[in-house]
Amino acid sequence: QVQLVQSGGGLVKPGESLRVSCAASGFIFEDYYMTWIRQAPGKGLEWLSHISTTSEFTKYADSVKGRFTVSRDNAKNSLFLQMNNLKTEDTAVYYCARGTLELDYWGQGTLVTVSP
Amino acid sequence: EIVLTQSPDFQSVTPNEKVTITCRASQSVGNGLHWYQQRPDQSPKLLIKYASQTFSGVPSRFSGSGSGTDFTLTINSLEPEDSATYYCHQSSALPRTFGQGTKVEIK
Repeated sequence: QVQLVQSGGGLVKPGESLRVSCAASGFIFEDYYMTWIRQAPGKGLEWLSHISTTSEFTKYADSVKGRFTVSRDNAKNSLFLQMNNLKTEDTAVYYCARGTLELDYWGQGTLVTVSP
Repeated sequence: EIVLTQSPDFQSVTPNEKVTITCRASQSVGNGLHWYQQRPDQSPKLLIKYASQTFSGVPSRFSGSGSGTDFTLTINSLEPEDSATYYCHQSSALPRTFGQGTKVEIK
């Protein structure tokens, strides 16, 4: 069955960096675009970024453009989100999801807390 | 960017009641509109794709309709496990966007 298992969240200070990961299994990873979404505490869903199958195409929300970088390793069936210059408003649960149109499977989420 | 506005924000309903949630887009998204359910402390789950196609394994009481700018998610005969927040999401344009969510509470 399709599984997306996330890791790498934690507590960091403003200005610091963090990388979250998403390990995929149960499907042919290299055949799918992948997407990152986040959810601030008590808030709704915010689309952040997606990456094409070969990493040729990436796109970012304005809120994270220039600070966050999405990447993937198809040989290791893994998706990454490198987050630099983190701000307190980046505090959220981060989700990876399969696809770029309908998001049919989601990871369990990983909490990133940015606090002085 | 395309703004999705859901209504209502909150709905309290009794079991077996019918629930209707609407999602209005600020410009046409064709049929590129999807619905998700998020139960408390869980990841979102896809319910309906492309406005009206029920995703695999989703109970038949969930249905979707609409095209262009106006969409509806209907839950026929609400079950207790349907207590959740529901989100619409458009894939017609970048950046992708979500509605603000509709919380459905069971009375």
